[in-house]
Amino acid sequence: DTAVSQTPKYLVTQMGNDKSIKCEQNLGHDTMYWYKQDSKKFLKIMFSYNNKELIINETVPNRFSPKSPDKAHLNLHINSLELGDSAVYFCASSRRSLAEETQYFGPGTRLLVL
Amino acid sequence: AQTVTQSQPEMSVQEAETVTLSCTYDTSESDYYLFWYKQPPSRQMILVIRQEAYKQQNATENRFSVNFQKAAKSFSLKISDSQLGDAAMYFCAYSLDNTDKLIFGTGTRLQVFP
Repeated sequence: DTAVSQTPKYLVTQMGNDKSIKCEQNLGHDTMYWYKQDSKKFLKIMFSYNNKELIINETVPNRFSPKSPDKAHLNLHINSLELGDSAVYFCASSRRSLAEETQYFGPGTRLLVL
Repeated sequence: AQTVTQSQPEMSVQEAETVTLSCTYDTSESDYYLFWYKQPPSRQMILVIRQEAYKQQNATENRFSVNFQKAAKSFSLKISDSQLGDAAMYFCAYSLDNTDKLIFGTGTRLQVFP
């Protein structure tokens, strides 16, 4: 039983296209996140949602728009894709406070923009 | 600014030997959490160990233990009896008590030789 799942696992697309990555967690967690891992393996948070409400937005370009239809899902939509968007995108979830436990990560989505 | 520094881009160890990965962080806060994550070639982010800053006792998980030096802001990971399956990227991460975001270091690639 997958705790945090992401689709697709791989995404190859042309510059200028619009694409979405979906994330679902079945852990009953309140908070979900999107992280970006660049080509040098550096991981940085992009967004965090708690109960469908945006909590963290780390100055990500507004071409990136997260959407949370319910607290088990957090999707990432990217408009007008650019070469620099190529990266691995990780979804994660946790209870409200990291004092209780940690974040559980999905398997990642490798995005390649040509 | 809160930062996490991993000064060793790469480390190697012989199977069954012990290796220590270093991590330092910068914060003016007193309540926070520290984590080590492992990322094998499969890309999955796996929690190895976590430490609450208010606890003086070093966390241990089987062959993995930490040396937490709060005054020095140091949080090193010791892997004992290294196994081939320990080969991966290891990320040190930090989170403040009142936020949910993880701030990651740049990672250390660990190779294990038979």
